[in-house]
Amino acid sequence: SFELTQPPSVSVSPGQAASITCSGDDLDNKYVCWYQQKPGQSPVLVIYQDVKRPSGIPERFSGSNSGNTATLTISGTQAMDEADYYCQAWDGSTVVFGGGTKLTVL
Amino acid sequence: QVQLVESGGGVVQPGRSLRLSCAVSGITLSGFAMHWVRQAPGKGLEWVAVISYDGTNKQYAESVKGRFSISRDNSKNMVQLQMDSLSAEDTAVYYCARGVDRNYYGMNVWGQGTRVIVSS
Repeated sequence: SFELTQPPSVSVSPGQAASITCSGDDLDNKYVCWYQQKPGQSPVLVIYQDVKRPSGIPERFSGSNSGNTATLTISGTQAMDEADYYCQAWDGSTVVFGGGTKLTVL
Repeated sequence: QVQLVESGGGVVQPGRSLRLSCAVSGITLSGFAMHWVRQAPGKGLEWVAVISYDGTNKQYAESVKGRFSISRDNSKNMVQLQMDSLSAEDTAVYYCARGVDRNYYGMNVWGQGTRVIVSS
């Protein structure tokens, strides 16, 4: 079955760029989206169809997808960006989520 | 303002059934895929099921196939999840989520979730 793999945790200093990866077989042939989830809150879509930002999502959030790896990049990371991030793709018959990455801003 | 409100969660004994509902306000359901996603305590997101914008196509995670059934009523702006033969592994917060469009490439509106606890 199709799987998406994310690093469990990523740390970044405020103001620096954070990159979170998501790996899966032939991933660039699928659309990837990313969600942000803060403790006690519902997930929020931050990137869809690899690179698109929903309205209301800051420009510092960007996405890319090449080969077997999709990447969420947060430029100029702020303390408010500390959260769990999940990648997600559709494999043709099911929706698949990555295991999630805890982003720590310190 | 688009709002999704889940209901129907609670404590249920193993082997019993529960029916979750998702009421949508602020926008029509028509034209959008609808999903159920769950999150076990302290765990990540797990997709459960999706129903196509017109209700003709339904897909399920392997973990719930044959036990859960998703349905929608566009005239009532509602989506439901019938859950049968529940087990402890089904304990989670269940979220209703609207697709970005009629495709299955993302979910851009989420409810607040309803908690399901399967316990004797």
